Amino acid sequence: DIQMTQSPSTLSASVGDRVTITCRASQSISSWLAWYQQKPGKAPKLLIYKASSLESGVPSRFSGSGSGTEFTLTISSLQPDDFATYYCQQYNSYSLTFGGGTKVEIK
Amino acid sequence: EVQLVESGGGLVQPGRSLRLSCAASGFTFDDYAMHWVRQAPGKGLEWVSGISWNSGSIGYADSVKGRFTISRDNAKNSLYLQMNSLRAEDTALYYCAKESAGAPYFDYWGQGTLVTVSS
Repeated sequence: DIQMTQSPSTLSASVGDRVTITCRASQSISSWLAWYQQKPGKAPKLLIYKASSLESGVPSRFSGSGSGTEFTLTISSLQPDDFATYYCQQYNSYSLTFGGGTKVEIK
Repeated sequence: EVQLVESGGGLVQPGRSLRLSCAASGFTFDDYAMHWVRQAPGKGLEWVSGISWNSGSIGYADSVKGRFTISRDNAKNSLYLQMNSLRAEDTALYYCAKESAGAPYFDYWGQGTLVTVSS
């Protein structure tokens, strides 16, 4: 199976900060990567697919980049609603796998 | 509006079985592949199983292969997960998730049903 490693596992930031989360794949996955946001007690929400395509309705402060084995999710200006846990997911191989998650906390 | 509503979770003893259901509405169910994803308490997301629109292609995580069976009934707009030989490590919130058109990432999720495996 393809292993997905996210860093950092926890991130402390303030409203207005630019935030970057990294996801690394154990082998090349081309651009077959999605990002999700999950808030406590809620189901995950799709933010980004195909590494950099923004899902409809998702604010433009979210962006994704990367290909091959290294990917980033960037929040250009952190808003109060963005404090949550973020997961990457590869879909290059059908044994789908998620990263371990990055919790974005209030500094 | 797309809705996915899971049911069937509960407390079950190790070694026993449980069947989860997911009722779908708000989209043409038989146009899309569907999946189960689980989340152990306080942990991350783990893909469990997926099934194509016509049940012709099915996949399982290694952790559940041989014990869990996914199925769907397009006439009833429903997805199922038969879970046998349950273990403590299967304890999790089980989400039903709709696959996006043409690629196995998930654009809609249910709220989940909790499965607790304990004696």
